[in-house]
Amino acid sequence: KAGVTQTPRYLIKTRGQQVTLSCSPISGHRSVSWYQQTPGQGLQFLFEYFSETQRNKGNFPGRFSGRQFSNSRSEMNVSTLELGDSALYLCASSLGPGGAYEQYFGPGTRLTVT
Amino acid sequence: QKEVEQDPGPLSVPEGAIVSLNCTYSNSAFQYFMWYRQYSRKGPELLMYTYSSGNKEDGRFTAQVDKSSKYISLFIRDSQPSDSATYLCAMRPNTGTASKLTFGTGTRLQVTL
Repeated sequence: KAGVTQTPRYLIKTRGQQVTLSCSPISGHRSVSWYQQTPGQGLQFLFEYFSETQRNKGNFPGRFSGRQFSNSRSEMNVSTLELGDSALYLCASSLGPGGAYEQYFGPGTRLTVT
Repeated sequence: QKEVEQDPGPLSVPEGAIVSLNCTYSNSAFQYFMWYRQYSRKGPELLMYTYSSGNKEDGRFTAQVDKSSKYISLFIRDSQPSDSATYLCAMRPNTGTASKLTFGTGTRLQVTL
């Protein structure tokens, strides 16, 4: 069974631009979560989607948004990029939302903002 | 103070040693506990997943949860150079669908020949 896939793997953007990252979950998984990983803050939760609905949101500004499609694929968008948005963005999928389900991570998208 | 505390290391051990990795936490609502392994420039890989207190063993890996002390551990027996990676603990409460995963900062492990 294929794992979680994320595209693109690497991205370089300029401050002020916007970016869209994509995540395809493991087949049969309906919940997708997004995380930001930086050396200083570690892994921080962005949001979780299940059945095309956002179920939970972390403490990030409104510039960070996401959505989920009917096939469970998900996208996250960051508008008006700042230098501090440079990070590894990780997507994780699970069968369902909540703590009872194991989360499996993709390889991540490394975003560099210059 | 962070909800989950983890010694960042680095922790250096010789091949064949028993490794002990630990996390402490402050939120008594945490019910699900996980350990992930992350190699450089890769996504985290789920190693162990436990619910509430107790032990769980899988091959060379043993996870322990002590909820009374708010302390979890991962033991690696017969450590190998391929175990060199960053180990992240993670946990979440049992609050239905609206619960987020909280991670420790990770411990970098180096297993030397």
